[in-house]
Parts: sequence; structure tokens; C-alpha cells
Amino acid sequence: EPEVTQTPSHQVTQMGQEVILRCVPISNHLYFYWYRQILGQKVEFLVSFYNNEISEKSEIFDDQFSVERPDGSNFTLKIRSTKLEDSAMYFCASIFRGSRGGTDTQYFGPGTRLTVL
Amino acid sequence: GENVEQHPSTLSVQEGDSAVIKCTYSDSASNYFPWYKQELGKRPQLIIDIRSNVGEKKDQRIAVTLNKTAKHFSLHITETQPEDSAVYFCAASMKTGGFKTIFGAGTRLFVKA
Repeated sequence: EPEVTQTPSHQVTQMGQEVILRCVPISNHLYFYWYRQILGQKVEFLVSFYNNEISEKSEIFDDQFSVERPDGSNFTLKIRSTKLEDSAMYFCASIFRGSRGGTDTQYFGPGTRLTVL
Repeated sequence: GENVEQHPSTLSVQEGDSAVIKCTYSDSASNYFPWYKQELGKRPQLIIDIRSNVGEKKDQRIAVTLNKTAKHFSLHITETQPEDSAVYFCAASMKTGGFKTIFGAGTRLFVKA
């Protein structure tokens, strides 16, 4: 069964550094997402992406965050200048939803644990 | 903004008993309601979902009900087993915003053997 993959599994960085988290969604999926989960808390929506542009973003997704789909397979989340409070698990997800319909089921990647020191 | 409330935050049951987790959502445009099970350090795993045109759905020991008028939906697990112990999240999704999903705060379920 195809899966969403994410790299790295764990990223440690110094406060103020830039990080790029990478995701490879399932190949025929059209909608892509980033979510964040601070340890022990709920999963929080960050951003949705469709047709090479952001569909919606949450209040968390400020100017320090950006997303990109640089080629036909990768979907990246960049944090420009990391803060201590950015430490969390970041999950990528994707949905197959084409013009002929599809499913609402989101497939989650295994996550990247980001630790900001 | 959109919000999903989930109760209880912690639930402890004896093996073989039933467990019920309840959620409410705020955005009437929500039309898809997945439930996820998350084990420590792992990704959320979809266990069951329900769409707004359906009132109830069952899959073996797991069932979900939806009351659109009241904006309530619930997860029922029967004949609980120790391996059901995990954190369960309800969620609501809508067509707007690129089908984004808003999660509840989670319920930590303990099943005692």
C-alpha cells in the first residue's frame, strides 16, 4: 500500500536557524497538508496546499513558515528562523481528491520530530 | 473559527467494557468526521470515519454516530481490549479550506486487564 513518507525522522537545530522538513505524498494525491503536534497536545492544522498554491493557513502559519512543491513529488515546509516553541512533531498528509471525486481520507506521514535548542 | 471539542480527556475502563468518546463541532459546513488512534510517538491512524449524509457506521467493535442537527458525533468501542489503549482524536473536515481537518484535543483511553 502506498504511504506518505517524511524526512528526516528527527531534526535538531539551534534557535534562529532555518529548517526544511520534507514530505513525499502519495503519487496520485492532489491535496497536501502540514500539521503540528506539540508533545502531549492535539494535532493542529498549519496549511493546506492544492494546485501549487496555499488553500488555507492557520494563525500558527505566520511569515516564518513557507511551503513549496519544488517538483512533482516533494512537498516541503520551511521554518525560516526557528523558535523554542517550534519544537513539535510535524506531520505531512495528503488526500486524493480529483475532478471525478475521490475520498476525504487523509493519509498521514510518520512525522518529523523537530527539536529547537 | 472552527473548533472541535472532545470529552473526556481521559477514560479508564476494564477490559471487556465499552468506551464512549464524544465530540462536538462548531462549523456547520463540516461534512466529514474521521476518528484517529495514536500510539506514543506514532502517526495518527484512521480507525473509522463518517460522512454527513450518514447517521451511524459500524466496523466490528467500533461504531460512530453523528447528529448533524446537534453537531455531535461519538465513538463507541465495545468489548475493549488492552491493545485499544491509546489516544483517540476526533476530527472534522470541510470542503472549504482545501479539506483541512480540525482535531479535537484527544482522549487518552486506558483499558485495564
